[in-house]
Amino acid sequence: DTAVSQTPKYLVTQMGNDKSIKCEQNLGHDTMYWYKQDSKKFLKIMFSYNNKELIINETVPNRFSPKSPDKAHLNLHINSLELGDSAVYFCASSQELAGGLVTGELFFGEGSRLTVL
Amino acid sequence: KQEVTQIPAALSVPEGENLVLNCSFTDSAIYNLQWFRQDPGKGLTSLLLIQSSQREQTSGRLNASLDKSSGRSTLYIAASQPGDSATYLCAPKDSWGKLQFGSGTQVVVTP
Repeated sequence: DTAVSQTPKYLVTQMGNDKSIKCEQNLGHDTMYWYKQDSKKFLKIMFSYNNKELIINETVPNRFSPKSPDKAHLNLHINSLELGDSAVYFCASSQELAGGLVTGELFFGEGSRLTVL
Repeated sequence: KQEVTQIPAALSVPEGENLVLNCSFTDSAIYNLQWFRQDPGKGLTSLLLIQSSQREQTSGRLNASLDKSSGRSTLYIAASQPGDSATYLCAPKDSWGKLQFGSGTQVVVTP
């Protein structure tokens, strides 16, 4: 059973198109994340949702819009794709303790490689 | 802003040697620190999680230490094997739940 699964694994598209990446976790975690890994392999957080509520929103262009229909799913929609959006996008999840104490271990999906032509 | 540095950037050792991977971070106000490995074209696999109140954590041949006050963590891998070849990433977590990643140490273990 895959704990954190992303689809699609590979995505090749033209500039200007709109695309979505889906993520699902079956770990019962309350927090989900999107990370971006660029061509230099550097990983940076984009968004985080806790119980469907946005809690981290880094300085990401507003062409990127996350949506969490329930706490097991976090999707990423990207409008008007640009060449610079080419990267690997990773979804992750964790269980954070109550009362604002942030200590949970993150589990990552296999990644979705986006190539914009 | 948290900055994470991993030294060395790359390491090549013969099978059987012990590995020592270093991680330093600038902001000591962390809640935990996680070590991952990443194989080429794959996702991140969690290796060890050290809470801010802990000094070390062990799992099999892996041992990670944390010195929060000096902003350092070290991952030790005993008796390395070719299957240990991967990129190792450390990531301290801040109070907002953000993991800040280092650029990683690329390890090659030769048979």
